[in-house]
Order: sequence, then structure tokens, then C-alpha cells
Amino acid sequence: DTEVTQTPKHLVMGMTNKKSLKCEQHMGHRAMYWYKQKAKKPPELMFVYSYEKLSINESVPSRFSPECPNSSLLNLHLHALQPEDSALYLCASSQTGVGAFFGQGTRLTVV
Amino acid sequence: DQQVKQNSPSLSVQEGRISILNCDYTNSMFDYFLWYKKYPAEGPTFLISISSIKDKNEDGRFTVFLNKSAKHLSLHIVPSQPGDSAVYFCAARTGTASKLTFGTGTRLQVTL
Repeated sequence: DTEVTQTPKHLVMGMTNKKSLKCEQHMGHRAMYWYKQKAKKPPELMFVYSYEKLSINESVPSRFSPECPNSSLLNLHLHALQPEDSALYLCASSQTGVGAFFGQGTRLTVV
Repeated sequence: DQQVKQNSPSLSVQEGRISILNCDYTNSMFDYFLWYKKYPAEGPTFLISISSIKDKNEDGRFTVFLNKSAKHLSLHIVPSQPGDSAVYFCAARTGTASKLTFGTGTRLQVTL
């Protein structure tokens, strides 16, 4: 199993909603990542979890709250988002950081 | 501060010919360089990587060259196939944090 599975694939939410993005991998990878990608831009790192502990937060606003319940799961909790937060949110995992595997992404639209 | 740059936003190559995608970087602390391929509305797919202590790595039709003194790497695809048409991202890893920094991408179009 070399897949990183993200749900949902698409999400539309209002600015007062609370929603969560989910990511799952069963490759035994100990590092998991959240990236954000805007149209025609490269993916930008948001968070890194290493051995289920948050190791990097790239100064992401608190309206984005990551959670790693166990070594296979990674969540991104969303609250009070702005329209400019609309983007493709990508989850990735890796064992050594080389050759990180990415999920298909969640296309988020904030209205 | 764009530490990884891909100066060609697009490239068109005929099927069967060589595609050469270029990438420049500024941070000497990068220890691995990677190439990813991305289709619209999908996550990036890992293609090939190279350690900063190597100058070449080959995997099938894909070869990556690293010129550390010039802080430049390139991805060669030969022969190019229509299915190679996608956006290619160069990425660089900062070892201690396993953090990937991506370039801006090059859209490759392989024509018949």
C-alpha cells in the first residue's frame, strides 16, 4: 500500500463553519505533512509531524489546527476561515523525508 | 525569498525527443533534491531524487543532474512521451527538519 488517502476530495464551507480534513497512510511512515497550494503556485509547507509530534509550524494562522491522533492519521481542523484560504490542501508522508508521498488533495472553497 | 526557482514556466517538446527541465537554488544547506510530476487537481507524484553528494542519478527514462558549484539541477526525460505532459516541480530538502521547499513549476507539453 503506497497510498496517502485524503478525505473529502472537495469541501465548500462558510466563514463561520468548522470542518476537518483527514489524511491516512499505512506505509509506516513516521513523518506527515500538510501543504497548501494555490492556483499556479508551488505547494507551501504548513505543518510537519514527526513521530506524532508537531515539529514544524510555518507560522500558520490559528484558524488552522493540526492533529495527529496516531501514526497513520493526520487531521487539519478548520474554523473561521477566510475566502483567501481557498486552495488545494495536500497531505504527504515520508519515512526519511526523501521522496514524500502525496495524497490527491482536498479542494477547499471558502464562501 | 524564493530559494528554489524554475525559470521556465513552460516547455514544449516533440514526442521522442529529450525534455530538459531546469532548477536553480540558493540554499547551500539543502541535502536532497527531488522532482515531482503533477496533474491538475491531483497531488504531486515523486519521480526521482538526488543526494547533494552525487552529481547524477538515473531511473529509466529520467535522469537528474546536479551541479553543486552552480547550484543548478536538471531533469532529463528521454524519450519524451505524451503521457509526460504535466507540471514538473523541483523540490529541495532541508535535512534536519525533513522540510521540502518547492520551485514554481514548469509545465511540460509533449506534442505528437
